Amino acid sequence: ETGVTQTPRHLVMGMTNKKSLKCEQHLGHNAMYWYKQSAKKPLELMFVYNFKEQTENNSVPSRFSPECPNSSHLFLHLHTLQPEDSALYLCASSQETKDDEQYFGPGTRLTVT
Amino acid sequence: AQSVTQLDSHVSVSEGTPVLLRCNYSSSYSPSLFWYVQHPNKGLQLLLKYTSAATLVKGINGFEAEFKKSETSFHLTKPSAHMSDAAEYFCVVSDRGDYKLSFGAGTTVTVRA
Repeated sequence: ETGVTQTPRHLVMGMTNKKSLKCEQHLGHNAMYWYKQSAKKPLELMFVYNFKEQTENNSVPSRFSPECPNSSHLFLHLHTLQPEDSALYLCASSQETKDDEQYFGPGTRLTVT
Repeated sequence: AQSVTQLDSHVSVSEGTPVLLRCNYSSSYSPSLFWYVQHPNKGLQLLLKYTSAATLVKGINGFEAEFKKSETSFHLTKPSAHMSDAAEYFCVVSDRGDYKLSFGAGTTVTVRA
């Protein structure tokens, strides 16, 4: 596989469920990002990892918990979400955080019921 | 702080006619500017990027954009639209070397046969 992949592509979960989103990049990059894309709103940066270390948490509620076990993988653990959390969650990567050219995955369409 | 304004939320063109997507930006420092395209149920794909080289930037699929510092604009054009160009387009700005991207609200392009 090439580029940035995300699984699952679609997810429906109840407010009491726990689920995880997975992102994998095959580009040899060292920085990875989670974004939230809601309808009619600009993309919102959620978390940033550089060389496996979290360098930014953009005031994201604690019901979203990121994990970066290595430079190629990024997870977003979800628990007790709210309906307003329904959105497209995009993962991206770049060579390092000082490199502003980011490559995006196809996203996970999350619906919270 | 940087920001982007996409002047049109929706553009409709006939196949074979030119496409113009307008973008104005503000940036405190020397900006990097990008155009991304998002097809339905897909992630964001980088069309082109401006750093500090030529002000006319050529991208993929026949798109190009011109950086005009005096007008703080970075408009995207294509001489002849194709049906496959129907998508949402995002203008993005960052302070050069900074991973924090500021996204515009997006312009939806429809192409009429």
